Amino acid sequence: NAGVTQTPKFQVLKTGQSMTLQCAQDMNHNSMYWYRQDPGMGLRLIYYSASEGTTDKGEVPNGYNVSRLNKREFSLRLESAAPSQTSVYFCASSETGPGGHGYTFGSGTRLTVV
Amino acid sequence: AQKVTQAQTEISVVEKEDVTLDCVYETRDTTYYLFWYKQPPSGELVFLIRRNSFDEQNEISGRYSWNFQKSTSSFNFTITASQVVDSAVYFCALKGGATNKLIFGTGTLLAVQP
Repeated sequence: NAGVTQTPKFQVLKTGQSMTLQCAQDMNHNSMYWYRQDPGMGLRLIYYSASEGTTDKGEVPNGYNVSRLNKREFSLRLESAAPSQTSVYFCASSETGPGGHGYTFGSGTRLTVV
Repeated sequence: AQKVTQAQTEISVVEKEDVTLDCVYETRDTTYYLFWYKQPPSGELVFLIRRNSFDEQNEISGRYSWNFQKSTSSFNFTITASQVVDSAVYFCALKGGATNKLIFGTGTLLAVQP
């Protein structure tokens, strides 16, 4: 089925380790997003990419970097993981431009930093 | 600034009861879009409904109904005759007309007891 694919689904890191979360969509959407979900906080936007070649900070970008590799792929990198980055990470995609375009979400990556 | 408030953190009902989930939003945009998403225990985010700011008609879909009132900046969600399968976290979200960024509320955990 068409959609948003995230890998890995689960990951445990030690403090200070680095890793990259991968996200790919096959819906030909221009815009892609990374959110984190924490208890009681809802989903908060980390970074987004309105179109291929552009990225912008969201609400909570510190400690993260992103790469819009091509139209399909948008990766999130933790250079030096911290326990505060323990969270569930969701990637999403949508059409670009004004309008009520809904988001399609991936199934999430549960990351634990110890 | 845009904001979504879901004041109800947790709601517990017994099966077949009706339940309303509240959502209050803030935006300065004249054009905006409101969404509800469901997150069942399996963790994925499921799109339920989108409503634009020009359409204040209430909507009904089976046991689900949505009441959009611009005068009170609210977009409430009612489940009639709740079922155990309705147990989930429900998120209300807002997107301004000129942006692709979707702002989420903190979610309401609904527990439907048999």
